Parts: sequence; structure tokens; C-alpha cells
Amino acid sequence: DAGVIQSPRHEVTEMGQEVTLRCKPISGHNSLFWYRQTMMRGLELLIYFNNNVPIDDSGMPEDRFSAKMPNASFSTLKIQPSEPRDSAVYFCASRKLAGDRGGVEQFFGPGTRLTVL
Amino acid sequence: QKEVEQDPGPLSVPEGAIVSLNCTYSNSAFQYFMWYRQYSRKGPELLMYTYSSGNKEDGRFTAQVDKSSKYISLFIRDSQPSDSATYLCAMSANGNNRLAFGKGNQVVVIP
Repeated sequence: DAGVIQSPRHEVTEMGQEVTLRCKPISGHNSLFWYRQTMMRGLELLIYFNNNVPIDDSGMPEDRFSAKMPNASFSTLKIQPSEPRDSAVYFCASRKLAGDRGGVEQFFGPGTRLTVL
Repeated sequence: QKEVEQDPGPLSVPEGAIVSLNCTYSNSAFQYFMWYRQYSRKGPELLMYTYSSGNKEDGRFTAQVDKSSKYISLFIRDSQPSDSATYLCAMSANGNNRLAFGKGNQVVVIP
């Protein structure tokens, strides 16, 4: 399996522009997470989906951020308009929901390094 | 108070030393305890996983959970330069719910 695939790997944009990050989870996984990582705040959960349904979006910073999962093999995280403070590494992770003791391990993609100038 | 506290200070040790990392947490509902390892410019990868209290050993790595103190630890014996990475603790109340992560410790093992 190719693992979790994220694109682009690097993105440099100017303040005010729209940014779209993409994620393809591991085939067969039915839970997907979007995280943001910075030196100051560490790894923060933004939103997660189970079976394509958003379960918890309390980590989404503000209305400028939105995420969708139109099907089991694709998700997007959009920032519109982008701001310099959005600069971070954005990770997508997936896992397979299982029994109560299963599904714990999340598999992370390589991340998208976003720089907003 | 954050759910998970992990002192993010970097740690440099000579090769062969024992590395000791720890996290504290406030949510008594946490039952699943994990350590993720993250190499530079990569995504985190699961290193060890423990359910409820107790110890777990895997080669040179030992994870300990003390639920009464809300404290978890990771020990790396005979550390190697290849162990140089950031180590993040993570925990969850239910296996199908979200993970709460610590900020991570950057470990550098000096040859």
C-alpha cells in the first residue's frame, strides 16, 4: 500500500489567497484526521471524519478553514483567505475503525508544508 | 490546563545512554496510551501502544503507564543515533475517538 498520500508537499502562497490541501487515505480505512503542527503549539487536531461524516470540527481555527470528505478515498482542507499565521505543516492521517480495542493506530501522511507570505 | 502535558525541551544524550521521556495528563477517561516517533520532515509513526496501566517492552523500548498518577513514560535503552527524532505521547479515551497529543520531545543521540 502507498500509505496516506498528501498533495502538494510544499505550498507557498500570499496572504489572502485560497489554499487547498488534498489527502488520499489508505484504502480500506474509514476514519480520517486533519492536523496542524507548529513549533509553538505542537500537533493540533483540526477535524476528523468517520465514514466520511465530520465527527468533531472543534479544532478548526475559524470560518476561514473548511474540510470536506466527498468519498472514502479523498478529502480536502481549504483555507480562504489564508493568513501568515496559518503557516504550518498540515498532516492528514487515516485509520480503520474496528472494535473498541482496535483502530487506535493512526497512519500519517508526509504532510504539506504551508508558507503564507 | 491542557489535556496532555509534555515538556518540549530538547534532549541530547551520548550513544548508549538511557533516554527517559514522560507525559502527564488530566483526563481520567484516557485508556489508550501511545508513543509516536517523528523523524525530521516526516509524519509521526506509532512506536508503542499500551492499553490501561502497566508496562510494555519492545526491544530497547519500554512504555510505562501509571493511571493513578496520570503519568506515562517511555524509556529507550542503549540509545542509537538512529533514535534521533521527536517523540510524541498520545492518548485516547476510546479506541475509535480522537487522540490527544503532547507537544513532543526532540531527542538527539550523539555518536
